[in-house]
Amino acid sequence: EAGVAQSPRYKIIEKRQSVAFWCNPISGHATLYWYQQILGQGPKLLIQFQNNGVVDDSQLPKDRFSAERLKGVDSTLKIQPAKLEDSAVYLCASSSRSGTDTQYFGPGTRLTVL
Amino acid sequence: GQNIDQPTEMTATEGAIVQINCTYQTSGFNGLFWYQQHAGEAPTFLSYNVLDGLEEKGRFSSFLSRSKGYSYLLLKELQMKDSASYLCAVASSASKIIFGSGTRLSIRP
Repeated sequence: EAGVAQSPRYKIIEKRQSVAFWCNPISGHATLYWYQQILGQGPKLLIQFQNNGVVDDSQLPKDRFSAERLKGVDSTLKIQPAKLEDSAVYLCASSSRSGTDTQYFGPGTRLTVL
Repeated sequence: GQNIDQPTEMTATEGAIVQINCTYQTSGFNGLFWYQQHAGEAPTFLSYNVLDGLEEKGRFSSFLSRSKGYSYLLLKELQMKDSASYLCAVASSASKIIFGSGTRLSIRP
C-alpha cells in the first residue's frame, strides 16, 4: 500500500512570494489533514477535510493560506503572500475516517522563507 | 481551553527504561495517541488508548487514566534508535485531534 505522498520536499522562497504544496493521501482515506510544524514544536492543525468538505479550518490564517480538495482525493495548500514566520515543515496526513483513526503522515515539505 | 503538557526533553541510557508523561485538559475525549518522530522525518503511529489501563506492544507500553487526564509512554530496553521526539495527541471529539509539543528523548550509550 502506497503511503501519503507530498511534493515538493523542500522549497525556498522570498517573503511576499507565493508557494503551493501538494498531497496525495492513502487510497480510500476519507480524511485529509494539513499541519504546520515549526522546529521544536508539535504539529499544529491548519485544515481538516472529510472527503471534499472542510471539517475544521479554525487555525488556518485565511488572509494568506488557502487549501482545497476538489475531488475528495488529493489536496493543495497555498500560501500567498508568504511571511518569514511561515518557515516550517508542512505535513499532510490521512486517515480512513475521522480524527479517532490512526493518521498516516507524508514526508512533509520543508519551507524556508527568506 | 484545550491543553496538552509533556516534558520538553528527557535523557536516558541505552538498555534502561524511560517513562514519558502527558497530561491533558480538553473539552471532550475520544482517545489518546502516541506518535514517534525522528529528526527530519514524519510522525509514525505508536499507540492508541481510549479506555483506562495499560496497553503493551513489544518494548513500548502506553497507559491512560481518563479521570486524571493523564497518560504515559513507557519504553523498555532502550536502544539508540529510540532517540526521537514523542508526541502525545488527544482526540477531543470524533473529528478533532490536538497534538502536544512533543518530548525530545536522547539516548546515551
